This record gives sequence, C-alpha cells and structure tokens, in this order.
Amino acid sequence: AQSVTQLGSHVSVSEGALVLLRCNYSSSVPPYLFWYVQYPNQGLQLLLKYTSAATLVKGINGFEAEFKKSETSFHLTKPSAHMSDAAEYFCAVSGGSNYKLTFGKGTLLTVNP
Amino acid sequence: KAGVTQTPRYLIKTRGQQVTLSCSPISGHRSVSWYQQTPGQGLQFLFEYFSETQRNKGNFPGRFSGRQFSNSRSEMNVSTLELGDSALYLCASTSRERGGHETQYFGPGTRLLVL
Repeated sequence: AQSVTQLGSHVSVSEGALVLLRCNYSSSVPPYLFWYVQYPNQGLQLLLKYTSAATLVKGINGFEAEFKKSETSFHLTKPSAHMSDAAEYFCAVSGGSNYKLTFGKGTLLTVNP
Repeated sequence: KAGVTQTPRYLIKTRGQQVTLSCSPISGHRSVSWYQQTPGQGLQFLFEYFSETQRNKGNFPGRFSGRQFSNSRSEMNVSTLELGDSALYLCASTSRERGGHETQYFGPGTRLLVL
C-alpha cells in the first residue's frame, strides 16, 4: 500500500521568498515520486519526478525536489517565488506493479506581492 | 506532439441520468488512467486501461465503468448519476520511459455537475 501526506493545506509566501512544500510518503516498494501543479480550471501539469536516477531532481519553472529515503520525504522547493507560481501543488507516489498514482491532498500556494 | 484531450470540457446532468466522457491520449501512448477530483476526497484513482484491457481498478461502485478502443482512445461512463458524482474527471496518458518507469500526463479534465 502507498500513501502521501502533504503537510500544510495552504502555504503563503511573499514574492521573491523561498517556497517549500512538504511531502512525506509511505510505500512498501521502491517508490516513484512526482510533483504536479494545477492552475484554476485546468488539469495537472507535471513539475518533476523521481525515478531513482538521482536524489536531487530539477523540474520546470525553477522548482526542484530532493528524495530522502531515511526521512521518506520528497519536499518541493523554489529559491524565489513568482506571482505566477500561485496554484495548487500535488505530490504523488507510484511503484511496483501498481500503475496508479496515489496523491496527497494538495497544498495551495499563495504568493503575495 | 499534441497533449491529452478530453471532451466535453463541461457537462450538466440531472440525478438518475448517465454520462459518457471521452479521452484521447498522447499519440503512441497505450495506457490511459482516469481520476476523480472533488474538494472533499481529493484525487482518487478510478481505473486504468492498457491495450483495451482494464489493468487496474480503484474503489468505486459499479456505476463507474470504462473502456478503451483499439486506437487507445478511452471512454468512461457513469450510470444513474448521483449528486456526489459532481467532480472534475481527469484522464491521464501514460508514457513508459527508459528504465521501465511510467509517467502520467494529464488532460484538462471534464467538469461534471449533477443537479
């Protein structure tokens, strides 16, 4: 069984500040981990993914995430927030022969001017 | 390559009716997954099809069904609609990548409102 916990349903930062969105996972098999972003009235856009190649993963729009097996975490960061980053972010896990994605509840990111 | 397309984008139905949603995956992708997104339950997996066969199924009642055609296009059907079926239904097209892992790419969704 797999599960994802996203700490903080709502994160608010100032423009130019560090963005940190937290994700912890549980998986009985080596996991594949993903971050998706959803803008209002749109589908999910893939930001980045961890597939065991490298623990520090760089994605689009300046985001990156680090896989820490000992902490079962995959936190998403961006050094400097931009107004256009305001959206909802979802962490997801898959693995083994189970092809489905299990999502966290999402974190709504607000960027203040 | 064109992305995942879903039709229709918006739909209004009444309780008891049935609805069919359509999804066309990215060219060359043979797997399609469906998810339901609601404010209360979040994103939940419905089912996944690969080469016209249901390979995986979530925990939804039998009113929710799907199929996949030989061209990989997929449809999902919900019969006897209930108010709680109001949701955004997302289709994902799966790419099998080097190393054997799979990545899902999502369409814009179909927003269903049941009155």
